[in-house]
Amino acid sequence: NAGVTQTPKFRILKIGQSMTLQCTQDMNHNYMYWYRQDPGMGLKLIYYSVGAGITDKGEVPNGYNVSRSTTEDFPLRLELAAPSQTSVYFCASTSEGQPEQFFGPGTRLTVL
Amino acid sequence: AQSVTQPDIHITVSEGASLELRCNYSYGATPYLFWYVQSPGQGLQLLLKYFSGDTLVQGIKGFEAEFKRSQSSFNLRKPSVHWSDAAEYFCAVNKAAGNKLTFGGGTRVLVKP
Repeated sequence: NAGVTQTPKFRILKIGQSMTLQCTQDMNHNYMYWYRQDPGMGLKLIYYSVGAGITDKGEVPNGYNVSRSTTEDFPLRLELAAPSQTSVYFCASTSEGQPEQFFGPGTRLTVL
Repeated sequence: AQSVTQPDIHITVSEGASLELRCNYSYGATPYLFWYVQSPGQGLQLLLKYFSGDTLVQGIKGFEAEFKRSQSSFNLRKPSVHWSDAAEYFCAVNKAAGNKLTFGGGTRVLVKP
């Protein structure tokens, strides 16, 4: 049981490039989340999903897109990378009725 | 909207001394409460959580936290700090299962030898 896994661990992008951050969980959780963590700040919610085919915006969705075609995977897409998207991205998941969320190890993204 | 405040951005403590990290939340009802720890370059590890019941909760690594409804606080404590406790600590609340976690800004703990 690997829990929540994220790839890549690190990435450097040039302005305007695109990329997909991968998130997979093997706990059969129906709820999944993407957060970003900026230096000196707590985590802020980007997008979340309550099940396959259902996604919704969080606090800071601009510049990102998500999809949820399976229960296990919840990729986060950056279409036109900007320096403001330099951050550490965390994926989390949980099951229905469970307040606690389980976090992946994070992806550190730098946009230059 | 719910919010979480961690008033101390940095705390420096000597090894072996006690540690207390403050957390206050703003929410009409009692939310679910969490403390996470993040070591440098690492992900988030759950230290402890409070859902209901006994207001003093024990966590991993010798940490405990006390929920005080009257003060809307959930302060984290450790009686004797070890050098390995140097990390950033985040308080988080969740008003309902399935909802997003709302995080405080974090407190960075430095441990002096």
